[in-house]
Formats: sequence, structure tokens, C-alpha cells
Amino acid sequence: AQTVTQSQPEMSVQEAETVTLSCTYDTSESNYYLFWYKQPPSRQMILVIRQEAYKQQNATENRFSVNFQKAAKSFSLKISDSQLGDTAMYFCAFMKREQDSGGSNYKLTFGKGTLLTVNP
Amino acid sequence: NAGVTQTPKFQVLKTGQSMTLQCAQDMNHNSMYWYRQDPGMGLRLIYYSASEGTTDKGEVPNGYNVSRLNKREFSLRLESAAPSQTSVYFCASSELSRPRHFGDGTRLSIL
Repeated sequence: AQTVTQSQPEMSVQEAETVTLSCTYDTSESNYYLFWYKQPPSRQMILVIRQEAYKQQNATENRFSVNFQKAAKSFSLKISDSQLGDTAMYFCAFMKREQDSGGSNYKLTFGKGTLLTVNP
Repeated sequence: NAGVTQTPKFQVLKTGQSMTLQCAQDMNHNSMYWYRQDPGMGLRLIYYSASEGTTDKGEVPNGYNVSRLNKREFSLRLESAAPSQTSVYFCASSELSRPRHFGDGTRLSIL
């Protein structure tokens, strides 16, 4: 079974600074997807960024970027120029294709989350 | 292993049929949640239950009903399934106000 580990239960950063959230995963698959989700107090789960394992180039979305190290099975999220609105719980997630009696589907596995606080 | 258990893992329905997705957690958590996952949209909150006996609407509650049967169980019901409800559904639980522990998901296809 796949596992996703976020080793930092909580982190804090000053506004305008840069912070990196860690995520490691365990899999024997070669083709999969990785995600970072943001969960604000509203309990929404907002997709921040995604990375396909077959792509070597690290994904970037505005102030959010990832450092994807496939051999090390590491997928960290960097937030640049942190803003107060970035305060949230962040979940790393792994998705792979599975075959079962119902056909093929994509199974999503979440880490336990990192609570990020951006301080003014 | 302790955690969140969802049943069934997958289901195919015809338009208009009804079904109930089951979720149970054995961590004695107060709060439980139902999300749906659609491509490119992240996870959207359908309903949540802050404690036994209470339920509240999330972002996309229309077409769904929920029951917090007891502290362990939180079910999601589709009374008259529609193709737009084809999705992967996740149940989650937590001690406090934000979900931390997710089930493996239920894949639902409505034809």
C-alpha cells in the first residue's frame, strides 16, 4: 500500500518570507501523480498544485512551486512571498491508477497534513 | 488498523436510483466529513458533522442527504442519482474542526 508522510505537523513563517513543506511517499509504481491541497478554516480542499511523475520539470503555480525528487520519493512545496491568506492546513496526496473488478480507477492517498501559520 | 473505512469501494448506478455510502471511523473522533473529488476541482465539501447528532451543509450539498447514525458512522445518501454525481467520494474524520484522516474513497458512476 502507498503511504504519504508529512513530517512537519505545524510550521510558521513571517509574511513575505519563503517556506517549504515536506512530503515523502512510498511506492513501487513508476507512473503516478502527486498533489498539494490547501485546507482553509472553511474545510474546503483546494488543489494548489499537481505533478505528474513522468515529468522531470517541477510544477509551478504563481507563488507555489514543488521540488520533485523521484528517486528520493520526495515532493516538497515551496511558498514564496507568503501571505496571510496562505494560513491553512496543507495536505500532500499521492494518486495512482488501480485495477479492480470494477475496472480501472485512480486511488488517492493523503498525508496527515501540515498546519501552516503565516504571521504578520 | 485504526482509521476511516468506506463502503463500497465502487458502485455503478442508473439515473434515478438511490444508494447510501457508508463511512465508519474507530478513532473516537467527534467530527466527520463527506467530500467529492472531481478532476481539476480538488475536493469539495458536501456535508459535515461536528458532533454526534449534528450535520451541516458544505459547498455542494444539493442532491445529497446525510445521517450521523452515532459517533462512529456518517452515511451519505443519494436519493435520486444523476450523472453529475459521478465522482469519487471521500469520507474524513478528526478530533477538531478540520479533517485529518481520510478514507480510501468510493468511486461512483451514474449512467
